[in-house]
Amino acid sequence: ETGVTQSPTHLIKTRGQQVTLRCSSQSGHNTVSWYQQALGQGPQFIFQYYREEENGRGNFPPRFSGLQFPNYSSELNVNALELDDSALYLCASSYGLAGGNEQFFGPGTRLTVL
Amino acid sequence: GENVEQHPSTLSVQEGDSAVIKCTYSDSASNYFPWYKQELGKRPQLIIDIRSNVGEKKDQRIAVTLNKTAKHFSLHITETQPEDSAVYFCAALNFGNEKLTFGTGTRLTIIP
Repeated sequence: ETGVTQSPTHLIKTRGQQVTLRCSSQSGHNTVSWYQQALGQGPQFIFQYYREEENGRGNFPPRFSGLQFPNYSSELNVNALELDDSALYLCASSYGLAGGNEQFFGPGTRLTVL
Repeated sequence: GENVEQHPSTLSVQEGDSAVIKCTYSDSASNYFPWYKQELGKRPQLIIDIRSNVGEKKDQRIAVTLNKTAKHFSLHITETQPEDSAVYFCAALNFGNEKLTFGTGTRLTIIP
């Protein structure tokens, strides 16, 4: 059984650019959730994908978008980057939507926007 | 939407003593409450969780209590050890929307 992986580990972008972050879910998991964790803060829910469909979204603007692929891996895309987008982006995978299923986090991608 | 408040933001305890971290939540529909431990530069890891049909759960040195009426839940760590030093996050989730809302974290330092 493989754990949750994310790529890249670190990324530096400039304001206005676009970025794509990737997440491979743990074997057997079909749900991926994305979180933004600013320095010194708790993770903030961005959105969740279940079996390739978006299933819930937090308070993030439309320039944050995502995809889930048939193998349940996922991408987070952010357009028109702003300085405040600098954060650690975490994805977490789980099985199903029964609620309360443990979410396993990836190591995160640290995004710096200059 | 759900709002989770967590206190204290920092906590220092002597090795061997107990540590208590408290959280309150606003959405009475929330019914799942996990606790995560995040060591510096590492991913959050689930250490214990509790569902709304249970008032207390214990796993070795770690316990969580839930008071649904007051909408608060607490993490208790007994016989603390240096490896317990980390940032701890509480969270709340409503099974209906799957949106996990985190608290702001508590930095726990165990003093040898």
